[in-house]
Parts: sequence; structure tokens; C-alpha cells
Amino acid sequence: DAGVIQSPRHEVTEMGQEVTLRCKPISGHNSLFWYRQTMMRGLELLIYFNNNVPIDDSGMPEDRFSAKMPNASFSTLKIQPSEPRDSAVYFCASVDRGEQYFGPGTRLTVT
Amino acid sequence: GEDVEQSLFLSVREGDSSVINCTYTDSSSTYLYWYKQEPGAGLQLLTYIFSNMDMKQDQRLTVLLNKKDKHLSLRIADTQTGDSAIYFCAVGGGNKLTFGTGTQLKVEL
Repeated sequence: DAGVIQSPRHEVTEMGQEVTLRCKPISGHNSLFWYRQTMMRGLELLIYFNNNVPIDDSGMPEDRFSAKMPNASFSTLKIQPSEPRDSAVYFCASVDRGEQYFGPGTRLTVT
Repeated sequence: GEDVEQSLFLSVREGDSSVINCTYTDSSSTYLYWYKQEPGAGLQLLTYIFSNMDMKQDQRLTVLLNKKDKHLSLRIADTQTGDSAIYFCAVGGGNKLTFGTGTQLKVEL
């Protein structure tokens, strides 16, 4: 298995633009998590899904953030409009029997 | 909610043992994990321990759990330069985990 796949690996965008981050979990894993990592705040859980259903989105910072999981093999995290303070590394992780497998992350820079 | 704390930095000499510590608040946590993050990469699961265990050894890694004090530690024997990374402890039950702040381990020659 290729592991968790995230795209793009790097994204640079201007303030106000829409950003879409993508994640393909490991086949057969039934839970998916989105995290954000910054120097100031460390690793923050944004939202997670079980069987494609959002379970806990209390970590989503504001309405500008939204996440979807239309099927078991794909999820997106969208930021609209983006702001400089959204600059961070965004990870997704898929879960098998409690063990979280992280993707390589998307480094987002909003100028 | 759960609070997980770690010291931010640890520096050791190559060949020495490293001990990374973690404290947590939720005594109902059933799984406790250690993850490693190398520069520019995601977190990689190193090892884990169930809450009904006191110790787990896996090659150069030893995990100790003190449930009474809610204290978890990771010992790396014979630390190598390739062990330089950020180490996160994570605790929880089921699928959701709470991660610590991470400890940056620097291995000096």
C-alpha cells in the first residue's frame, strides 16, 4: 500500500483565495482525521470522520473551513477565503484499530 | 478535555540513552502511543502501550507507564544521529487521540 496520500505537498496562495487540500486514506481504514500543525499551537485536531461521516468538527477554527468525505477513499479540506494565519502544515491520518497513519502533509503558505 | 504535556527539547550525545517524558490528565486513556516526526514528514508510529501494562520493550525502545502518576516515558538506548526528530506522545481511547506538544531530540556527536 502507498500509505496515506496528500496533495498538493506544497501550496502557496494569496489571501482571499480558496484552497482545497486532498487526502486519500489507506484502503480499508474506516476513520480519517485532519490535523493542522504550527510552531505556535503544535498539532491540532480539526475534524474526523468515521465511515465517511463527520463525528467531531469542534476543532475547525471557523466557518471558512469545511471538510468533506464523499467516499471511503477521498477527503477534502477547504479554506475559503484563506488568510495568512492559516499558514501551517495540514496532515490527514487514516486509522486502523486505533493506530493513526499520517500522510506526508501539505505545507500551506498564504501571503 | 485531555491535556498532554512534554518538555520541548532534549539534547543527548550519540551512544547515550535518551529519555523523553510525557504527562497526561485523563486516567481513562486506554492506549498510549509514541510517534516520531522527521523534518518535512508526517508522524510515524513508533510504539504503543496498553493502559494495563507497565512496560513494553521493542529493540532499542522502552516504554514505561506509571498510571498512578499519569506519566509515560520513552527510552531510546544507544541513541544515534538518525534518532534526531520530534517525538510526540499521544493518549486516548478508540480512534481519537490527544497529542502532546512534542519533544525535539537533538543528538550530538
